Amino acid sequence: RKEVEQDPGPFNVPEGATVAFNCTYSNSASQSFFWYRQDCRKEPKLLMSVYSSGNEDGRFTAQLNRASQYISLLIRDSKLSDSATYLCVVRGSGGSNYKLTFGKGTLLTVNP
Amino acid sequence: NAGVTQTPKFRILKIGQSMTLQCTQDMNHNYMYWYRQDPGMGLKLIYYSVGAGITDKGEVPNGYNVSRSTTEDFPLRLELAAPSQTSVYFCASRYLANGDFAEAFFGQGTRLTVV
Repeated sequence: RKEVEQDPGPFNVPEGATVAFNCTYSNSASQSFFWYRQDCRKEPKLLMSVYSSGNEDGRFTAQLNRASQYISLLIRDSKLSDSATYLCVVRGSGGSNYKLTFGKGTLLTVNP
Repeated sequence: NAGVTQTPKFRILKIGQSMTLQCTQDMNHNYMYWYRQDPGMGLKLIYYSVGAGITDKGEVPNGYNVSRSTTEDFPLRLELAAPSQTSVYFCASRYLANGDFAEAFFGQGTRLTVV
């Protein structure tokens, strides 16, 4: 299994749709998880951290399943401005706690 | 705060030339990173630093060198540019003390083409 693996995409959805992205990670000792957003030709920016109990920020919900080593991001009521690449990021543990490992990203296009 | 500043934004190099990508941050972050991003690929870690005077290799360090003489600056050096180094380079920083969820801040990237 790759360290961090995401849905390959791309996803094309109409405005108002609900879309879910999935991510799996290989190191069961990993402690911290994130979703970053990257607009075309721009730098990645933190969208949200993923907590064990799951967390919500407006239209965005992140879930973590440690047993399955699986992370998800749900976007409700998609907006045109949500069009971007979404990167799943896992922080290493122990001696590798400096390390942030990025998935390849999933491209989302929201259409009018 | 300017955050993380990278220069230059764009550069074309000829094979065998050398250059330094500059990165500076004004957030007093201890950790700094250099990543490269190739089309359709995730970010790959080139080098990282946990503080001034301390650097270490990431996943893809060959052909690159770094230094960290101050907390603020973390330049990346390409000594003999090769076409395989054509990529977008991102510098990032974060403050890692006790917080597992410390956010990494990225510079705007340097688009490098080696011809």
